[in-house]
Amino acid sequence: QVQVVQSGAEVKKPGASVKVSCKASGYTFTTYGISWVRQAPGQGLEWMGWISAYNGNTNYAQKLQGRVSLTRDTSTSTAYMELRSLTSDDTAVYFCVSERGAGEFAYWGQGTLITVSA
Amino acid sequence: EIVLTQSPGTLSLSPGERATLSCRASQSVGSNYLAWYQQKAGQAPRLLIYGASSRASGIPDRFSGSGSGTDFTLTISRLEPEDFAVYYCQQYGSSPRTFGPGTYVDV
Repeated sequence: QVQVVQSGAEVKKPGASVKVSCKASGYTFTTYGISWVRQAPGQGLEWMGWISAYNGNTNYAQKLQGRVSLTRDTSTSTAYMELRSLTSDDTAVYFCVSERGAGEFAYWGQGTLITVSA
Repeated sequence: EIVLTQSPGTLSLSPGERATLSCRASQSVGSNYLAWYQQKAGQAPRLLIYGASSRASGIPDRFSGSGSGTDFTLTISRLEPEDFAVYYCQQYGSSPRTFGPGTYVDV
């Protein structure tokens, strides 16, 4: 069965960077893309960006362009999301999602809480 | 960017009742690539419907999706206690992929 497992919660200071990992199993990793979505406390879902697990092509939300980087390691079936220059507005649960078919968000990781606090 | 609007913001119903949730797009959703997700408190969202009307694997048939172009609907034919949650629509036909603000189905 498909599993998507993310790294654990982190607390960061303003101005720091964070890198979240996302390990997929139960399917051929390079077949589907992976998106990252975040959810601030009590808020809705915000798409951050997408990476092709096949060739590493990326597409980022304009709002985060320049601050976010998505990468993947096909040898370990793991995707990574790095977010730089953190502010309190980046405090959120971050989800990675393995896509299917035409890009529907089929398999979600459990979420990683990133808290930005001085 | 396609902006999605969901209505109502909150839907107060009882178990056994029918729920009708609306999602309207600011422009036509390409290939009707519109999905619906259910999210319960403290959990990741779960894919319910994709391609506007196809049920995802393991989703009960009381959930159905319809619509095309700019107007889409999620219907829950008879609410079960476990269906009380927040529901989001999302378009994945164009970039950036966007989500609606959600509808909270409350008992």
